Amino acid sequence: QKEVEQNSGPLSVPEGAIASLNCTYSDRGSQSFFWYRQYSGKSPELIMFIYSNGDKEDGRFTAQLNKASQYVSLLIRDSQPSDSATYLCAGLIQGAQKLVFGQGTRLTINP
Amino acid sequence: DAGITQSPRHKVTETGTPVTLRCHQTENHRYMYWYRQDPGHGLRLIHYSYGVKDTDKGEVSDGYSVSRSKTEDFLLTLESATSSQTSVYFCAISESGGFEEFFGPGTRLTVL
Repeated sequence: QKEVEQNSGPLSVPEGAIASLNCTYSDRGSQSFFWYRQYSGKSPELIMFIYSNGDKEDGRFTAQLNKASQYVSLLIRDSQPSDSATYLCAGLIQGAQKLVFGQGTRLTINP
Repeated sequence: DAGITQSPRHKVTETGTPVTLRCHQTENHRYMYWYRQDPGHGLRLIHYSYGVKDTDKGEVSDGYSVSRSKTEDFLLTLESATSSQTSVYFCAISESGGFEEFFGPGTRLTVL
């Protein structure tokens, strides 16, 4: 079992709706989590990180962390076609200075 | 964009030949990483470096070696390429050990 799991999708959401991307992790020692966006044929780019329980908002994006349930999510409000990409969840292994990535979820926003 | 370049960007090679991929950064970040990306597997860490001449293995290190003789350069070597090493390879850098990694443009490697 991978330490970080994502539903690979594809996830299809109508334009203007809320897209919800989910991630679970198995290592209770993981403290920080990162969401990367990757457009087809491009490299991943960091869009958000979270290390405290609760919600963290940045524009249309909200990251949520629930350490008791070992669950991380990314919400994208008012989804736009330009949000269509693969979203990668990653956890920082405590004391190891390296990330463990999930498989990625492919998101398509339909106009 | 963070100053990271990878070379070559594309390479086709034959099974059994040695291949070296180069990652070069201009950000003076301490940590450098090599990942491979394959459909259905996301990004998997091959090796990483936490300083000049300091390296460690990742989850898929078999068949790969790395070297870092200067802060700015991190080399990934396939001593004898196999078809299973056909992949897209990404280099990443981080100032603080996994926190806020920035990725290079990637190298697409095909082993025939």
